[in-house]
This record gives sequence, C-alpha cells and structure tokens, in this order.
Amino acid sequence: RKEVEQDPGPFNVPEGATVAFNCTYSNSASQSFFWYRQDCRKEPKLLMSVYSSGNEDGRFTAQLNRASQYISLLIRDSKLSDSATYLCVVNRVDSSYKLIFGSGTRLLVRP
Amino acid sequence: NAGVTQTPKFRVLKTGQSMTLLCAQDMNHEYMYWYRQDPGMGLRLIHYSVGEGTTAKGEVPDGYNVSRLKKQNFLLGLESAAPSQTSVYFCASSTRMGSPTFSETQYFGPGTRLLVL
Repeated sequence: RKEVEQDPGPFNVPEGATVAFNCTYSNSASQSFFWYRQDCRKEPKLLMSVYSSGNEDGRFTAQLNRASQYISLLIRDSKLSDSATYLCVVNRVDSSYKLIFGSGTRLLVRP
Repeated sequence: NAGVTQTPKFRVLKTGQSMTLLCAQDMNHEYMYWYRQDPGMGLRLIHYSVGEGTTAKGEVPDGYNVSRLKKQNFLLGLESAAPSQTSVYFCASSTRMGSPTFSETQYFGPGTRLLVL
C-alpha cells in the first residue's frame, strides 16, 4: 500500500462546479499535511497547508480527518485556471523535514 | 529573489555518460532536496541535505551522488547514466525546522528533464 494515495482522475468538470478530492495516508503519526498544485510540465507549488481544524483560502477549503486518516480539498466555483494536478503531501514520521508526495489528482475544468 | 533555480533545463545523455545537475537557492534555506518524478508516481526523494557540508540518502539514492559545498548550492551527479534514470528532476529547499514534528513548506525549482538513451 502506498503511504499516500490519491485518485488519479482526471476529474472533468464545467466552470463554476464544486469539486472535491480526497487523499488517504497510511501512518497515523503523520503531523503535517499540505496540498500542492502542479501545472503541466511545471514544478509543484504550495496551495495550502492543512490544519486539524480545517482551513479555507478563498474558494479552496482543506479538511483533515485524523481518525480516518484522510485529507480533502474542496474547490468551489471552479475556474479554467484551476486545471492542474493536485498533490497531497504528508510528512514522514521518522523525520519531519521529509515529505511524502501522492501521485496527484488531475483536474480539468472545461468552459 | 530568484528562489530556486536549476540548470540545465533539459539534457539528453547516452547510457554510461555522466553529468551534474546544479540547484541554487537564494532564500538562505538550510535544507535542500533532490527528487525525481516519473509518470503515475509521486515525487521520490533521492538525496537531501540538512546543512552545508552534509548529505543523506533518500528513498531512491542508487546511481546518484550529491554534494553541498556551499549553503546555497546542491549538486546531483549521475556517474554512469542508465535509461532508468530518464525522469524529471526537481530540487527543493526549506527553512530549518522550528518543531520536530511540524514540516516547513518546500519550495521547488523549475525542474530538469533528463532523457537517457
């Protein structure tokens, strides 16, 4: 089993739609959680950190469920520019500065 | 600030050739990392460094060597390239940890696409 698992997609949604991605992680002791965004042929960039209480940044909402060991990302009012691959990332328990990356969920927003 | 830069952007090698990928960061970050990204797989850590003069192995270190002689630079070397090393290589950096259990954000360079024939 992979340490971080994501549905690869693609999720194909119309502009204005709400879309949600889930990610599961295997080690219950993980402490830090992130969503990164990666555009085609570009580097990953931090979208948002994920806090225990959940957090929101504009149209983006991240949630953490420690009991079920999953992280979610909700995107409201999708824009064409949201088309990208979204990477779920957690820290390695044995060393907090090392991160484990999921293989990503691809989102396509169509006009 | 340029952030994290990588050279070259693209390279084609023949099996058995050697090369060095250069990563530079101007954010005064302590930690630096080299990853590879292959289709359908997440980024995998090759080597990392927690400070000038120190390096350590990641998940997939075989066939690679690294050096961090200056804080701002992290070099990745392939001594004898193999087709299995065809990949996109990303360098990243982050600040020193403030807490042993909380990870800081990693900032990535634009990547180097390597094709080994």
